[in-house]
Order: sequence, then structure tokens, then C-alpha cells
Amino acid sequence: SSELTQDPAVSVALGQTVRITCQGDSLRTYYASWYQQKPGQAPVLVVYGKNNRPSGIPDRFSGSNSGNTASLTITGALAEDEADYYCNSRDSSGRRGVFGTGTKVTVL
Amino acid sequence: EVQLVQSGAEAKKPGESLKISCKGSGYSFTNFWIGWVRQMPGKGLELMGIIYPGDSDTRYSPSFQGQVTISADMSISTAYLQWSSLKASDTAMYFCARGPPNDYGANFDYWGQGTLVTVSS
Repeated sequence: SSELTQDPAVSVALGQTVRITCQGDSLRTYYASWYQQKPGQAPVLVVYGKNNRPSGIPDRFSGSNSGNTASLTITGALAEDEADYYCNSRDSSGRRGVFGTGTKVTVL
Repeated sequence: EVQLVQSGAEAKKPGESLKISCKGSGYSFTNFWIGWVRQMPGKGLELMGIIYPGDSDTRYSPSFQGQVTISADMSISTAYLQWSSLKASDTAMYFCARGPPNDYGANFDYWGQGTLVTVSS
């Protein structure tokens, strides 16, 4: 079982804001990175570090951290944001990584 | 342009061996981690392990230790994932991904296209 836990599914109305959370003890020490995966495609990094976005990722994606919880917020969700989202960070040993359980985001 | 190009889909029988590859280009292959990620049909992402080609430092996730072997050949900028005896439960899509030198198993910024492995008798 994963050391990083996410809610299995969330939904958001078009244009509204949704927050996806990721919980795990290692998040007290390490930042999470976040990935978007659409059906049949490889994951795409959308947020990493304290709150950084790779080139080309829209600024409606943002990240935050508090205690053992990391969050990905999509502000003004678009239909194209409907996807699976995974968090990723180091595991409890600090020597390896682990992915979260994943959250399916539905845009209504 | 950074690219990770993986080998093609494989159809194998239980008990057979397999080695799939991931070739990096457009960056210094020896200075970034390569991670291998499994995605079983309809399931989530699982980090199998990581390798630092510069010194072959290899770290396996506990669930995959002893089940697979990760290696790299710096001379051809290629990382590998291999099985000695496949099982039907190894049927999955396998991705390779690039990670930064200062992190272990996180912040994967470039991904391969995936290699579909199907194991069936």
C-alpha cells in the first residue's frame, strides 16, 4: 500500500476551484510533486517543490503544504483538466520515492 | 530537446525473460536519475525503483526488490528494466521518467511514452 494517501475521486463545476489533497508522514519533511494523467497518455508534471510549475503549465495549477498534507489546487477548472492526478514524494526512508494513490477529477 | 524513448510493446508467456529499454537524449544522461513506474490496467502509478547512471546507484521500492532488475548503460544513454521469469501479474504499462540529481524518486519532469507488457499463456 502507498505511503501517500489521496481521495479516490472529486468533482468540480466548470470554472470553479477544486483542491486535491495528499497525506503522508514524509510530507512533513519533503515537498510533493503533482502529475496529471489523461487516458492513454504518460503522466505530466504540473507542480513541484514549494509551488513551482514547469514551463507550459497554466497558472491555474498551484501547490501548497501544511504538516503532513500537500495540496494541488485548480482555480477555474476547465474541461481539459478532467484527468487523474497523482502526488509523489520521498518515502519514509527518504532514500526512495513513492506515488500517491491517485485522484480522479471530474469537471461537471 | 529532452526525450526518453522506450522500446516497443511486448507479448510474452509466463516464465519467459524480458528486458525493456529507455533511451535518453537531449541532456546529460549520467547526471539525472531514471525511474521506472508500473501502471497495471485501470490502476495507479507505482514507483518500482530508480537508478543514477553516473554511478549506477540503484534503489528499489520494497514491493519490487528481488522481482526486477534495473540497470543502465552510460555509453548509449539507455536504462533497462528486466525480468528473469515473467508472471501474468506483470501485465502492465511501464514508464521511465527523468528525476533531478538532488532528489530520490520524485519530481519526474520528462517521461517516456510507455512500454506495454502483456504476459499470457
